[in-house]
Amino acid sequence: GDSVTQMEGPVTLSEEAFLTINCTYTATGYPSLFWYVQYPGEGLQLLLKATKADDKGSNKGFEATYRKETTSFHLEKGSVQVSDSAVYFCALNNAGNMLTFGGGTRLMVKP
Amino acid sequence: NAGVTQTPKFQVLKTGQSMTLQCAQDMNHNSMYWYRQDPGMGLRLIYYSASEGTTDKGEVPNGYNVSRLNKREFSLRLESAAPSQTSVYFCASSERTGAEAFFGQGTRLTVV
Repeated sequence: GDSVTQMEGPVTLSEEAFLTINCTYTATGYPSLFWYVQYPGEGLQLLLKATKADDKGSNKGFEATYRKETTSFHLEKGSVQVSDSAVYFCALNNAGNMLTFGGGTRLMVKP
Repeated sequence: NAGVTQTPKFQVLKTGQSMTLQCAQDMNHNSMYWYRQDPGMGLRLIYYSASEGTTDKGEVPNGYNVSRLNKREFSLRLESAAPSQTSVYFCASSERTGAEAFFGQGTRLTVV
């Protein structure tokens, strides 16, 4: 079946550092890929998405490129802020009825 | 701009008690979902409703039942709570299955 693997956290960075959170997936066909963010005490919010190979999703300074050749959708940000501290989830949907989530990666940004 | 509303936000149950988690969305979405979130395990789908009048099992349905009351509302029932059901429960909705999902703020349930 479909699966999503994320790097384990927590990831601890200083403010203004470069962020990469790795995400790889296993799926047949051509899934849509998503990054969701969960701030403390809240539900998940969609951060960005890509629906086909080589698409780049971007939002709030975050970017991720759909790489079918490496089955990856790594999340990047050039300069993180304390307010980016949250848990980040990679997810896919393969034309089915449900999103398949990775285990989540906690990001902690220190001033 | 309510989006997806879940009640209650917190609940403590004794083993064997029953309860219903309520969820309502005001976005006229067709599909609704119930997930549970456990440490280190991401989110796992319990049940979903692709459209009004239909429900289907997800990855971890045992011990739960659901009702799609109407297009807006999708409830999750625990008939006899067990400590293994201690978790954070999220309701979500989407315009159609496979589209972007919108989540509620979650219900933190503890079963003692």
